[in-house]
Amino acid sequence: GAGVSQSPRYKVAKRGQDVALRCDPISGHVSLFWYQQALGQGPEFLTYFQNEAQLDKSGLPSDRFFAERPEGSVSTLKIQRTQQEDSAVYLCASSLRQVSNQPQHFGDGTRLSIL
Amino acid sequence: GESVGLHLPTLSVQEGDNSIINCAYSNSASDYFIWYKQESGKGPQFIIDIRSNMDKRQGQRVTVLLNKTVKHLSLQIAATQPGDSAVYFCAEKIQGAQKLVFGQGTRLTINP
Repeated sequence: GAGVSQSPRYKVAKRGQDVALRCDPISGHVSLFWYQQALGQGPEFLTYFQNEAQLDKSGLPSDRFFAERPEGSVSTLKIQRTQQEDSAVYLCASSLRQVSNQPQHFGDGTRLSIL
Repeated sequence: GESVGLHLPTLSVQEGDNSIINCAYSNSASDYFIWYKQESGKGPQFIIDIRSNMDKRQGQRVTVLLNKTVKHLSLQIAATQPGDSAVYFCAEKIQGAQKLVFGQGTRLTINP
């Protein structure tokens, strides 16, 4: 399809394991965002890329969280040594360009459960 | 965190009636606002946006009103349909930044 694609849709991991979540943005979209959504709450910003440059990572909760977008297209969010509080839905969004206000279009997220 | 919403407010309307969902935003420096619809198990879906130099914008069956004086945003849905049942979030973007800050969601339920 033409939308933002995220995989896997569901991920279950044991506490202490590392996980990697993938985002395929809409083709041609320059900006890419990661958000974390806890149950019953609105999404909270994690990090932002413009092409391959990570311009804002102020929302990453700890140094266990790492994101990359090496070729300016697909992005991966990695969480090392997962903890139970990392359980949430991780949403990826993309927008066409950075220079003017453009809507962010979201994928359906990865639901991460840490046991 | 910057978003709140542990207890999600709920709005119940009769099918065919108009719905009004309200949102108070936090930052007077915000220059762009978006309304999203989120259905269970899905990501937020873009509905309509408005820039801070406007006070009203209309789409298909939806209208967004912006009152910068009191930092208030509203979403009006005309002739509400069962498919409109979802959680609705407002989001603001602060001038100069790129991230969205989401407000407290509102659950809209439709009575037949």
